[in-house]
Amino acid sequence: NAGVTQTPKFQVLKTGQSMTLQCAQDMNHNSMYWYRQDPGMGLRLIYYSASEGTTDKGEVPNGYNVSRLNKREFSLRLESAAPSQTSVYFCASSDLREGNNEQFFGPGTRLTVL
Amino acid sequence: AQKITQTQPGMFVQEKEAVTLDCTYDTSDQSYGLFWYKQPSSGEMIFLIYQGSYDEQNATEGRYSLNFQKARKSANLVISASQLGDSAMYFCAMRVGGTYKYIFGTGTRLKVLA
Repeated sequence: NAGVTQTPKFQVLKTGQSMTLQCAQDMNHNSMYWYRQDPGMGLRLIYYSASEGTTDKGEVPNGYNVSRLNKREFSLRLESAAPSQTSVYFCASSDLREGNNEQFFGPGTRLTVL
Repeated sequence: AQKITQTQPGMFVQEKEAVTLDCTYDTSDQSYGLFWYKQPSSGEMIFLIYQGSYDEQNATEGRYSLNFQKARKSANLVISASQLGDSAMYFCAMRVGGTYKYIFGTGTRLKVLA
C-alpha cells in the first residue's frame, strides 16, 4: 500500500500561471481533503470531498478548484496563481468510520509563486 | 464555532523527561474525536493518538498519552521519557461527529535537548 501520494513534490510558478496538484489514495477511503500549511497558522482546509461525486468548500477556498475524479483521486487546481498561494499543500483521506477515524496524509507539495 | 487552541508556540524539554503539550477545544456537540499528529522536520504528518468524547479512559499509545478533561475541554498530549527524535511540530485536531471536517490547532514546536 502506497497510502496517499501527491505529485509534484515541489513546484515554482510565476504569478498568473495555472497548475494542478494531484492526489491519490489506495485505502478505499470515501473522504478526501486538501489543506494548506503556512507558518504559524497550522493546517487550513481548502476543499474536501465527503464521497465520490461531491465536493465542498473549506475555510480558504478562494483561488482554488477541485475535482474528485473517482474514489481514488482528488485534484486541486490553481487557475491563476498568486504569491499568497505560496504554501505547503497536503492531501489527506479518511474513511470516517465510527471511533478512530484518523486522517492519512500525503507527503505534501511545496509550492512557490513568484 | 468549533475551534482548537494550542497556546504554546514552542517548548523545550530535557531528554528522558516527560513533557505536556496543551490543547483546548471548543464545541457544543457531545460527539467528537480528538487527534494528535506529529510533523518532524521532514514534513510528513504522523498520527499519534486518538480520544473519543465518550471514551471513559484516557488514551495511551506507547510513550504517548492523552490527558482528556472533558469538563475543561482540554486534551493535552503527554510524552513520557522524551527522546531526541521527538523534536517536531505537534498538532492537535478535532472532528465533530456527523461532520466531515477536521479542525487543526496552530501547533507546538517541541525541541528535546540532549
